[in-house]
Amino acid sequence: EAGVVQSPRYKIIEKKQPVAFWCNPISGHNTLYWYRQNLGQGPELLIRYENEEAVDDSQLPKDRFSAERLKGVDSTLKIQPAELGDSAVYLCASSQAGAVDEQFFGPGTRLTVL
Amino acid sequence: KNEVEQSPQNLTAQEGEFITINCSYSVGISALHWLQQHPGGGIVSLFMLSSGKKKHGRLIATINIQEKHSSLHITASHPRDSAVYICAVDRNNDMRFGAGTRLTVKP
Repeated sequence: EAGVVQSPRYKIIEKKQPVAFWCNPISGHNTLYWYRQNLGQGPELLIRYENEEAVDDSQLPKDRFSAERLKGVDSTLKIQPAELGDSAVYLCASSQAGAVDEQFFGPGTRLTVL
Repeated sequence: KNEVEQSPQNLTAQEGEFITINCSYSVGISALHWLQQHPGGGIVSLFMLSSGKKKHGRLIATINIQEKHSSLHITASHPRDSAVYICAVDRNNDMRFGAGTRLTVKP
């Protein structure tokens, strides 16, 4: 069974440019998470979806970050415009029944903003 | 103060040594997770605990709910165990992560 797929794996952009990340969760997983992981730190939740509904986006910087999960499967996370401080690894994870169940993580997208 | 504290931050061991990584948390939780993160970012879930003890191969995880403390043990450590180990607590669909423990096992 394929795991959580993310693309791109690496992205380098100049500040003020837009960027988008894509995530395909494990088939059948209703819950999808986007995390940001800064160097030397644990992941920080940005947004959690139950199917197509964003049920927790309290940590998402809404002035520049947006996310969508149309049809409750794939998801995209967008930053516009990117800032230097956005350089981090963006991780997508999915689970079958909310956070209580085991989460499966994708390989992440490493973003570098110059 | 972080809600999830791990110790040590960095750990270097010789192959074969017994390793312990500790996690303390300050909030009520429904479950605790131990995750392994290899260089390059890939994260693998090792254990999910709500009480007691779990064992998988050379890995053992314990949790004491009353003391709000969990430990991850690695027996007969091997260089391939080198990774960052992250403790995460689940608070009713709200996850909080520790900063991780970077383990290096030398041959």
